[in-house]
This record gives sequence, C-alpha cells and structure tokens, in this order.
Amino acid sequence: GENVEQHPSTLSVQEGDSAVIKCTYSDSASNYFPWYKQELGKGPQLIIDIRSNVGEKKDQRIAVTLNKTAKHFSLHITETQPEDSAVYFCAASSYSSASKIIFGSGTRLSIRP
Amino acid sequence: ETGVTQTPRHLVMGMTNKKSLKCEQHLGHNAMYWYKQSAKKPLELMFVYSLEERVENNSVPSRFSPECPNSSHLFLHLHTLQPEDSALYLCASSQDRQATYEQYFGPGTRLTVT
Repeated sequence: GENVEQHPSTLSVQEGDSAVIKCTYSDSASNYFPWYKQELGKGPQLIIDIRSNVGEKKDQRIAVTLNKTAKHFSLHITETQPEDSAVYFCAASSYSSASKIIFGSGTRLSIRP
Repeated sequence: ETGVTQTPRHLVMGMTNKKSLKCEQHLGHNAMYWYKQSAKKPLELMFVYSLEERVENNSVPSRFSPECPNSSHLFLHLHTLQPEDSALYLCASSQDRQATYEQYFGPGTRLTVT
C-alpha cells in the first residue's frame, strides 16, 4: 500500500526566511497531493494541493512542487510570519483509491521572531 | 470555523467505561470520517461513511463502534478501551468519499484512558 515519508519532523526558521518541507511517496498511482496545516487546538486545514498533471502550484507565499519521476513533493513557504507556526502534514491519494488518503507524520514548524 | 463540530473536546475515561464521541457537520457533505491522531505518527483513518453507509473500516478493534444516523451526524462509541487508545480523535467530512475532495476537520476530542 501507499506510504508517505515526511521530513523534517521539526523545523525552526527566522521570521522572514523561507521554510521547506519534503515528502516522498511509494505508490506510483498516486496523483493527488494535498497539504494540511494544523494549528494548536484545531483540526488540520487544507492550505494547498497539487495534482499530477502539474509540476508546481503557488498561492501567495506558499508553493508546492511535484516530481513524479522521483516520487517526491515539497511545500515552500516564503517570507515566513509568526502565524505560520503550526504542524504541517503532506498526504497522497489516487483517484482510484476512493476514500483512502495517506498522511505523512507531520512537521512542526516554529517561526523565531 | 470549518463547519465541523465535535463534542466533547476533552474526555477522561477508565478502561471499563462506555462513552461516545459526537461529530456534526453543517456543510451538506455526503462523506464523514473518523481519524486517530497520536503523537509523532501519521493520521490513521479509522472509518469512512458515505451517505450514511460505512464504506471503510481499517482494521479497527471492535471496542470502537461507529454510528452514522444521518449524513450530518457521526458518533464513535467507546467501550473497554486500553491506555494506548489515548489520542486525539478527529472527525472530518467531505463533499464526496473520493479522496481527492478536500476534507474539513473538526477540532478533535482529546481522549485519555486511565
């Protein structure tokens, strides 16, 4: 079955710097890759997603890249701000997997003032 | 807020107790999910309901019993739990059961089994 590895598990960056979180997946049939952000005391919330027919997608300060050949995808946050501090989860699924979405183990991002 | 509410937010129960977790979604979605979130581990999908029918059960022990009386409500009945069942239990909903639809999560119930 699908397995999603996420690194690093913790990340601390200076406010204003960039943060990068990386994930790899095992199932070559995976074609949908969402990223969720979980703030303290809340459930995960979708922040950006990418489908396998594109290599990059941007939304203001966040971007996601996908390399299908290498089976890895990354989240990039630029000009980090205190409100970016949270746990970030990558995930992978395929259109054929119905309700099965596999999450990574999460990255705790801390923004230093 | 996400439109998904969960009660209670915190629950402490003994191993011989019976309790229930409640989830309600106000989004008109057709699919609802229960996840278990343990420290430093990926979210574990437990159950999936689509149009009130259970469509997935990921080898969850029988001490966890889900119930979906209608498309807006989901329950997780708990009995004879073990200390390793202590975790954050998250409910989610999506427009459809397809994994490519965005899932909207509730804030979770923090469960402690003593």
